[in-house]
Amino acid sequence: GENVEQHPSTLSVQEGDSAVIKCTYSDSASNYFPWYKQELGKRPQLIIDIRSNVGEKKDQRIAVTLNKTAKHFSLHITETQPEDSAVYFCAAKEGSWGKLQFGAGTQVVVTP
Amino acid sequence: DSGVTQTPKHLITATGQRVTLRCSPRSGDLSVYWYQQSLDQGLQFLIQYYNGEERAKGNILERFSAQQFPDLHSELNLSSLELGDSALYFCASSLDIGETQYFGPGTRLLVL
Repeated sequence: GENVEQHPSTLSVQEGDSAVIKCTYSDSASNYFPWYKQELGKRPQLIIDIRSNVGEKKDQRIAVTLNKTAKHFSLHITETQPEDSAVYFCAAKEGSWGKLQFGAGTQVVVTP
Repeated sequence: DSGVTQTPKHLITATGQRVTLRCSPRSGDLSVYWYQQSLDQGLQFLIQYYNGEERAKGNILERFSAQQFPDLHSELNLSSLELGDSALYFCASSLDIGETQYFGPGTRLLVL
């Protein structure tokens, strides 16, 4: 099955700086990679996703890049704000028809 | 609001007891997933259903069981509860297997 590794496990950044979270996956057939944000005690919420036919996708301050050859994808948050503080999970679809496999999560702390 | 509903929001019970958690997926979604999230932990996949049939199993204990009914709502049954079962239990749904999962608000279970 799919194995997703996520780094770092914790990330502290100063407000205004950029944050980068990286994930690697094992199944070369994976073709869908969403990112979720989970605030304390709340549900994980989809913030951005990318499919294997594109290499990069951007939505305001958030961007995701995908390198299919190296089997890794990354989340980039620019101009971080305190409200970006949360746990971020990456995920990869198992093969073409499988369920999502989640990474272990990254705790992001943005300090003013 | 993701459109996924879960009841109850909170549940306090004693060791050895049995509880049932309920999930209603988003309208039109055929696939339902159950996750367990302990304090400061990631999302542990328990089980997945698609259109009434079990499709994948994760680290689900034998004391736990689930089902998806013809109206597509799902129930997670937890029996012979132990202190370590205290956690947030999330249900998620997706239109099809491997597609974007939308999470419910979760049920917070406390076993005393």
